[in-house]
Parts: sequence; C-alpha cells; structure tokens
Amino acid sequence: AQSVSQHNHHVILSEAASLELGCNYSYGGTVNLFWYVQYPGQHLQLLLKYFSGDPLVKGIKGFEAEFIKSKFSFNLRKPSVQWSDTAEYFCAVIRSGGYQKVTFGIGTKLQVIP
Amino acid sequence: SAVISQKPSRDICQRGTSLTIQCQVDSQVTMMFWYRQQPGQSLTLIATANQGSEATYESGFVIDKFPISRPNLTFSTLTVSNMSPEDSSIYLCSVGTGGMNTEAFFGQGTRLTVV
Repeated sequence: AQSVSQHNHHVILSEAASLELGCNYSYGGTVNLFWYVQYPGQHLQLLLKYFSGDPLVKGIKGFEAEFIKSKFSFNLRKPSVQWSDTAEYFCAVIRSGGYQKVTFGIGTKLQVIP
Repeated sequence: SAVISQKPSRDICQRGTSLTIQCQVDSQVTMMFWYRQQPGQSLTLIATANQGSEATYESGFVIDKFPISRPNLTFSTLTVSNMSPEDSSIYLCSVGTGGMNTEAFFGQGTRLTVV
C-alpha cells in the first residue's frame, strides 16, 4: 500500500518569506501526485497536480511543486508567502490507473505572520 | 471533472442518534469514496462504494457503524450510527476520474458535531 510523509507539521513564516513543504511517498508503481489546501473553516481545494511530463508543475495562487522521481518526493514551494496563505496543506497520492483511493499525508499547518 | 453536492453541510446531533449524509454527483461514476477528517487531523478513507455491491471498508471502520448505500451511479449515502462525541468530524464524499491520470474530486464536506 502507498503512504505519504509530510515532514513539517507546523510552519511559521513571515510575509514575503519563501516556502518549501516536503512530501515523500512510498509506492513502487506509477502515482499521480497532488497538493490540497484547506483554509480555516473551509473545505478542501486542489492547489496543483502532477500526472506526467514536466516535473515542475504550477498551481493556483503562485504555488508550484517539483516531482523528483528518484527521491519519491513532491515538494511544494512558493517564493513569497502572504498572510492569506495561512492554511493547512495536504500532500496526496493516487495510484495511477483505475479508480484508486487517495492517500493523504498528515498535513502541514502554515501560519504566515504579517 | 465532477461536481459533487453533499447534504447537509453541517449538523449538530445528540449522542446515540444517527445521521445520514447524502452525496450527489453530476455524472455517472463507478466508484465513490467516503473520507473522515477528525479535528486537527488528516483525511482517512472510510470505505469505497460501488454501485450494485456492498461497500468495502478500511481497517478500523465497520458497516454497522457506517452503513453506506449506493443505489445508482450518481448517488450515495453514508450513515453515522449511534453517534458519540468521538464521531465529531468532517465527512467528505469523493469520486475519481479513473484511468492513468486518476484524479479525485471532493464534495464540500459535512461538518458533524455530536453533543
């Protein structure tokens, strides 16, 4: 079975600082990779996704992620965070092919200080 | 893509009662998934629901506690039975696109508080 590890459980940054959230997965086959965001009191939203091709994917709100196959990693980055980025971020994987379930990481709470 | 409607969006229930959550999809889908997000935690899969067969439950979840119906290809319900405060969570319905570029779509969730 696949699993997802998120290294930073709680991150505090000042506005304009750069962000990188780590995500590693374990599964020997082909996976599709996702980052979701959940703003306080709101529902889950998709930030970005990776299926194949260019390993650097861009998502909404200036976020990007890089898939490094050799490291089984899919780290999320943003060059300059804003107070409005305060939220919880979940890395997730789906095994490619079929109607597979989503395996989520434990989540990273990001707090951006104005 | 798929548009998923979940009802109710939130509820406050008395312990010992049951709540049925409805999930309606705007297109026919083979499999539907139910997830739980306990306060401050990540999302955990409860069960997978196929039309015309019994749901498949993940370890730690049982049918008596979380009965699921899947009467057709666009609709499913999850019942949280004999509720206790520990059942206070967000419950989400999800569907997948299938194929190599499998992607999941989520409903807006049902925020359940058991008092």
